[in-house]
Amino acid sequence: NAGVMQNPRHLVRRRGQEARLRCSPMKGHSHVYWYRQLPEEGLKFMVYLQKENIIDESGMPKERFSAEFPKEGPSILRIQQVVRGDSAAYFCASSPSRQGQETQYFGPGTRLLVL
Amino acid sequence: GQSLEQPSEVTAVEGAIVQINCTYQTSGFYGLSWYQQHDGGAPTFLSYNALDGLEETGRFSSFLSRSDSYGYLLLQELQMKDSASYFCAVIGAGGSYIPTFGRGTSLIVHP
Repeated sequence: NAGVMQNPRHLVRRRGQEARLRCSPMKGHSHVYWYRQLPEEGLKFMVYLQKENIIDESGMPKERFSAEFPKEGPSILRIQQVVRGDSAAYFCASSPSRQGQETQYFGPGTRLLVL
Repeated sequence: GQSLEQPSEVTAVEGAIVQINCTYQTSGFYGLSWYQQHDGGAPTFLSYNALDGLEETGRFSSFLSRSDSYGYLLLQELQMKDSASYFCAVIGAGGSYIPTFGRGTSLIVHP
């Protein structure tokens, strides 16, 4: 059973470009969470999605950031017009149900560097 | 809102026992989780406590006191590979029960 997969593992963008981060949850998991981590800091929640629905986006900036989890395919976190402050590691996690949120399975992360 | 406090760094020697503390403030409480992260890699779930007491899983144990808003992770028979960052995460009432993570404790195990 494959774990949570994220790609790309590393992404370099220039200021003003768009970044697209992909996450495929574990097989059988329909709940996906996106987190951002800066060096020497904890994981900051961004958005929680269940297939085709955004459940909680309270941690996501109102502008430039969007997320989706289509019926088919991976979840995508999109950052438009990136700025240097967006440089961070972005982790995706999945769980089989809402009741299983205390146990989240994380992907390897995407390291975004904005030049 | 929710906030957590944990030490930024702990050092210990191989074979020893180490305790990483976590205190939290939250409006309503469901449980406390612990995660391990090596060198910025994928965080790995270690344990979850919803009730007071000690939960043991091999060399790792986790303790919770709801009345004290306090928990700890206990690592026994330390090995070099245990050098990593350890995060506590609280699930509070309200919202969609998303875990709020602490800033992490860097554990350094010396030979």
